[in-house]
Amino acid sequence: LAKTTQPISMDSYEGQEVNITCSHNNIATNDYITWYQQFPSQGPRFIIQGYKTKVTNEVASLFIPADRKSSTLSLPRVSLSDTAVYYCLVGVEAAGNKLTFGGGTRVLVKP
Amino acid sequence: GAGVSQSPSNKVTEKGKDVELRCDPISGHTALYWYRQSLGQGLEFLIYFQGNSAPDKSGLPSDRFSAERTGGSVSTLTIQRTQQEDSAVYLCASSPSGRIGETQYFGPGTRLLVL
Repeated sequence: LAKTTQPISMDSYEGQEVNITCSHNNIATNDYITWYQQFPSQGPRFIIQGYKTKVTNEVASLFIPADRKSSTLSLPRVSLSDTAVYYCLVGVEAAGNKLTFGGGTRVLVKP
Repeated sequence: GAGVSQSPSNKVTEKGKDVELRCDPISGHTALYWYRQSLGQGLEFLIYFQGNSAPDKSGLPSDRFSAERTGGSVSTLTIQRTQQEDSAVYLCASSPSGRIGETQYFGPGTRLLVL
């Protein structure tokens, strides 16, 4: 599995845009990049997935440069309820679709 | 529709006791996964069920851990002779077909504390 590196934590304020960059230098050709969000005392929740360039949905945008060695999750105009841990995942083991989460990035949105 | 449910939500047990954790996946999902999350850590894969295939048990940390899935739906994770290091949140997830990269839907987890 491609190893990912992302910041341990970041603080923001309501209404600001939050950008979390994940490094994945060893990403394989067939690997997708997926982000999950986890609130305290809940299981992770899928946010967005992409392969290259840019993907946008109602929750976030995902920017992937041409070399795909990193990706940036962008959360527009965050609110207090966006306080959570955000996990970047790259690839899954072919046998079993196993997800491997690292420590994630703890985002704290302040009023 | 209903999401993935798990029971109990919290479990406190004494060292050496056996515990059973239950997972009800989303109806119609053929793939079911168990993960473990220790305090402040990422998820650790435990076991994976896909349809009628033999489960992938490669993530189970010891032979004290076992899991079964009856009728392709409900799953039970059993931990025998619990140890303090087993204390963690045990998360279950399901996905429609187990296709690689498919979104997994997680339950709220069972918080296990072994005293």
